[in-house]
Amino acid sequence: AQKITQTQPGMFVQEKEAVTLDCTYDTSDQSYGLFWYKQPSSGEMIFLIYQGSYDEQNATEGRYSLNFQKARKSANLVISASQLGDSAMYFCVGPGTASKLTFGTGTRLQVTL
Amino acid sequence: NAGVMQNPRHLVRRRGQEARLRCSPMKGHSHVYWYRQLPEEGLKFMVYLQKENIIDESGMPKERFSAEFPKEGPSILRIQQVVRGDSAAYFCASSPTSRRTDTQYFGPGTRLTVL
Repeated sequence: AQKITQTQPGMFVQEKEAVTLDCTYDTSDQSYGLFWYKQPSSGEMIFLIYQGSYDEQNATEGRYSLNFQKARKSANLVISASQLGDSAMYFCVGPGTASKLTFGTGTRLQVTL
Repeated sequence: NAGVMQNPRHLVRRRGQEARLRCSPMKGHSHVYWYRQLPEEGLKFMVYLQKENIIDESGMPKERFSAEFPKEGPSILRIQQVVRGDSAAYFCASSPTSRRTDTQYFGPGTRLTVL
């Protein structure tokens, strides 16, 4: 079965600092995508960043970057220059079977002053 | 360019009633997915539909739950004879194709409360 593991249930980071949220995955597929979504307290699910398994470069989107290590099956999210508005639940999402996504259990990030 | 629309945003039902959740995918997207989120958990896949077809319903409970995506109109997730355990947030997502590298864009969710 496909599995996504997020080992940090909660993280704190000071404003303007960088933070890394860990994610490992398990798949036997050769071609797949990995995603990070953010869920603020308002509840919506916001797409942040995507990494394809065959992409040679690590994905970046503004202050978000993905530290993708294919051999280790890890896809850690790095948020630079944290802002108060980054406080939210973050889900690593990966390849399920067929087209369905498999969600990790999430990491709750709290940005402090 | 409207995103994925879901309504209602909040739905309250008494045990035994029916709940109907609607989802309109993003323009140009013909693939729709429904997920359920219990409190403090990640989303769990329920069903994947294309226009008029159910492609994968492996995450749907065997009884009381059904989904459709008609040729015209939104996708509907229907829960008959709701029970307290059905209380959850139900998210719909859409994508332009079924490629496993496609990003799925989520709607705002429908929060179902069963009294």
